[in-house]
Amino acid sequence: GQQLNQSPQSMFIQEGEDVSMNCTSSSIFNTWLWYKQDPGEGPVLLIALYKAGELTSNGRLTAQFGITRKDSFLNISASIPSDVGIYFCAGQNAGGTSYGKLTFGQGTILTVHP
Amino acid sequence: DAGVIQSPRHEVTEMGQEVTLRCKPISGHNSLFWYRQTMMRGLELLIYFNNNVPIDDSGMPEDRFSAKMPNASFSTLKIQPSEPRDSAVYFCASRLRDGTYEQYFGPGTRLTVT
Repeated sequence: GQQLNQSPQSMFIQEGEDVSMNCTSSSIFNTWLWYKQDPGEGPVLLIALYKAGELTSNGRLTAQFGITRKDSFLNISASIPSDVGIYFCAGQNAGGTSYGKLTFGQGTILTVHP
Repeated sequence: DAGVIQSPRHEVTEMGQEVTLRCKPISGHNSLFWYRQTMMRGLELLIYFNNNVPIDDSGMPEDRFSAKMPNASFSTLKIQPSEPRDSAVYFCASRLRDGTYEQYFGPGTRLTVT
């Protein structure tokens, strides 16, 4: 089946540093979503992307939909301690029988040291 | 606005017992998804509904799992009989309608089967 490869698996950074993570797919996606999950909570939607090449910001977060439609990245600028959590990418396949379903990456665990 | 509501937040039960997890989607949303999250397998889609009708249940592990959506504001996921390998966090998510992609997650139910 489809797979999303998300990297890195984990990151340990100092407060104030910028962070970058990405997802790649073996197939074309027509939507990319980025979620953050805090411990003991459900994933919270951060950014949604719908067009190849689209660059969207949400505060200190910026995400882009790759031109090939097979990848996406998320950047966090000037990290703060509350950025700690697990970040997931999710994609909606462009066709086939998977319509309506999201495929999730394995997650990037972010730790921010004060 | 109230988000997706799940109950209970935590459930501890003995092997062989029946477990029922409950979900109330965001008002006005007509698509509902049940996921299971484990360290080993990440987020897995179990089943999803559009307009209270199950569309894809290919992720349901086996006959011990069943899900219902009797109306637009309520869904249940039942496991009977439960087994220790069912221990996981179960999330419910809702989406505005078929054709949109943003899914909004509830806080999850942490199930432990001993």
